[in-house]
Amino acid sequence: DAEITQSPRHKITETGRQVTLACHQTWNHNNMFWYRQDLGHGLRLIHYSYGVQDTNKGEVSDGYSVSRSNTEDLPLTLESAASSQTSVYFCATSSRDRGTYEQYFGPGTRLTVT
Amino acid sequence: AQKVTQAQTEISVVEKEDVTLDCVYETRDTTYYLFWYKQPPSGELVFLIRRNSFDEQNEISGRYSWNFQKSTSSFNFTITASQVVDSAVYFCALSEAGDNFNKFYFGSGTKLNVKP
Repeated sequence: DAEITQSPRHKITETGRQVTLACHQTWNHNNMFWYRQDLGHGLRLIHYSYGVQDTNKGEVSDGYSVSRSNTEDLPLTLESAASSQTSVYFCATSSRDRGTYEQYFGPGTRLTVT
Repeated sequence: AQKVTQAQTEISVVEKEDVTLDCVYETRDTTYYLFWYKQPPSGELVFLIRRNSFDEQNEISGRYSWNFQKSTSSFNFTITASQVVDSAVYFCALSEAGDNFNKFYFGSGTKLNVKP
């Protein structure tokens, strides 16, 4: 079965370190998204991609970057982790081509920046 | 401006009660999509329903029903005869057509507590 996975599931890092969160999907979908979830804010879009070599900034992109070198993966990098980036991060994928539009989410990564 | 508003932060009901979760959205697009997701205590996000802007027909799936009203820009979710397993955070989301296709705007969520 197709799936979307995230790794690691839990991460503790120190302020100032670079951190990369992995997202891998086997749906063969073009669209991939990164969100962060914080209490009281729901899910907020960080970055998204509509295909290989395409990346776009979401509403809370400062301090984050992504790259899309293949269809399956969209890693999220925190260039210099800050305590304000302590959050739960979700990756999602969707396919416009298949006419369904809904996004399917990974299990999430809980990141703590100390 | 908030595109999706879920004004109810938290709702508590007793098992078997009916409960309605409100969702109000804002968009200038004539073609858009609305969604509901469930996030149980285990943390995963589960897709429940998608509704297109050109289809105002209400939908029922078992104990779940959705009322889409373009006139009031609302897409409310009702759980009939609630059960403890319905306890979760529920998110409403909007996606617009056009260049930003499939970008989701989420509401802040409504936490539903169903007590036995």
